[in-house]
Amino acid sequence: DAGITQSPRHKVTETGTPVTLRCHQTENHRYMYWYRQDPGHGLRLIHYSYGVKDTDKGEVSDGYSVSRSKTEDFLLTLESATSSQTSVYFCAIRYSQLYNEQFFGPGTRLTVL
Amino acid sequence: GIQVEQSPPDLILQEGANSTLRCNFSDSVNNLQWFHQNPWGQLINLFYIPSGTKQNGRLSATTVATERYSLLYISSSQTTDSGVYFCAVDGNRDDKIIFGKGTRLHILP
Repeated sequence: DAGITQSPRHKVTETGTPVTLRCHQTENHRYMYWYRQDPGHGLRLIHYSYGVKDTDKGEVSDGYSVSRSKTEDFLLTLESATSSQTSVYFCAIRYSQLYNEQFFGPGTRLTVL
Repeated sequence: GIQVEQSPPDLILQEGANSTLRCNFSDSVNNLQWFHQNPWGQLINLFYIPSGTKQNGRLSATTVATERYSLLYISSSQTTDSGVYFCAVDGNRDDKIIFGKGTRLHILP
């Protein structure tokens, strides 16, 4: 158990509405990541954080924003959800400063109608 | 950026068979991980193996960093081994990892 929880686990929303997904960790790790998983694409990095208020973009960051105001929480926001953002979203943490070994949360299934 | 290719894309085996999954990468890496995504969607860490060989029960992995590939061996397959196996690498000396598209394994009873 990597000590990661994601909420909500499932969400259905409508196009144009804002959505926020939460990743919570209990072990004070510095690095946190948000990925999306789509058929045929594997997992792709959206944004990541390397400390409180320190974030950077990943491969598929358009349409997403993130915030990290405290170590334990990393929030992913879709300001105006679109159907192309229907996906499974995974949060990950990295335990070590030296080794980029990542551990994943249980995922959030988001459907945008 | 670094490219990660996994083969085969799909594999169907009878329970008890052995299998070898391959991960090729296009540049030198500092980090390589193997994951199993079970049918419920959970991503499970199998190995952290930037080089060398490791074993854990019926599973073992070998990474030959100089030749830019890694192999995951599953012996005496069980139905619970079904799912998708991903490898992920970092090669750009940054904080990110890049996933391959996975190998989908079906173990038939």
